[in-house]
Amino acid sequence: DGGITQSPKYLFRKEGQNVTLSCEQNLNHDAMYWYRQDPGQGLRLIYYSQIVNDFQKGDIAEGYSVSREKKESFPLTVTSAQKNPTAFYLCASSTLPGRMNSPLHFGNGTRLTVT
Amino acid sequence: AQSVTQPDIHITVSEGASLELRCNYSYGATPYLFWYVQSPGQGLQLLLKYFSGDTLVQGIKGFEAEFKRSQSSFNLRKPSVHWSDAAEYFCAVGADGTGNQFYFGTGTSLTVIP
Repeated sequence: DGGITQSPKYLFRKEGQNVTLSCEQNLNHDAMYWYRQDPGQGLRLIYYSQIVNDFQKGDIAEGYSVSREKKESFPLTVTSAQKNPTAFYLCASSTLPGRMNSPLHFGNGTRLTVT
Repeated sequence: AQSVTQPDIHITVSEGASLELRCNYSYGATPYLFWYVQSPGQGLQLLLKYFSGDTLVQGIKGFEAEFKRSQSSFNLRKPSVHWSDAAEYFCAVGADGTGNQFYFGTGTSLTVIP
């Protein structure tokens, strides 16, 4: 079955270290997204990509970086510049970039804890 | 600016009782509206969506939602709740021409008591 795979499910890092979260999809979707979820705050958009080799900042991009070298993959790097990186990170994809009638499909998330 | 409000942070219902989760949105044009459900430690699953046409939409797991333009609302309902419905529910609006953004509410946590 097609879907979105995020790995690892749990990730622990020391403060000051960069860490990369993996997101792979086999849905043949063009658009991919990274969201951050904190208790009581809903989902906030970090970055999104509509096509390969192109991506745009979302509402909370500071301290994060992404790449989109392949259609299937959209890894997120949490850098040491991110002041409060501990959170639940969700990757999503959709079929029609720029069209909001294309629902998001989500992975199962990565919980990052930085100490 | 676009926004989504879910007024109820937490709701508790008895199994078999009816359920209504509230969602209000702010958007200038006709919005694309969605309800998602999230089990603990999992991603979000689409329950239903509204784009146009019939204002009462049916979704998976016996859920339905009604779009009311005059009230800027898109409330989620279920006639009889099952224990497995306990989860976090998110309302979202999609807005064309605004940088490819979906706007999510802060979620409503549902507890089902036997």
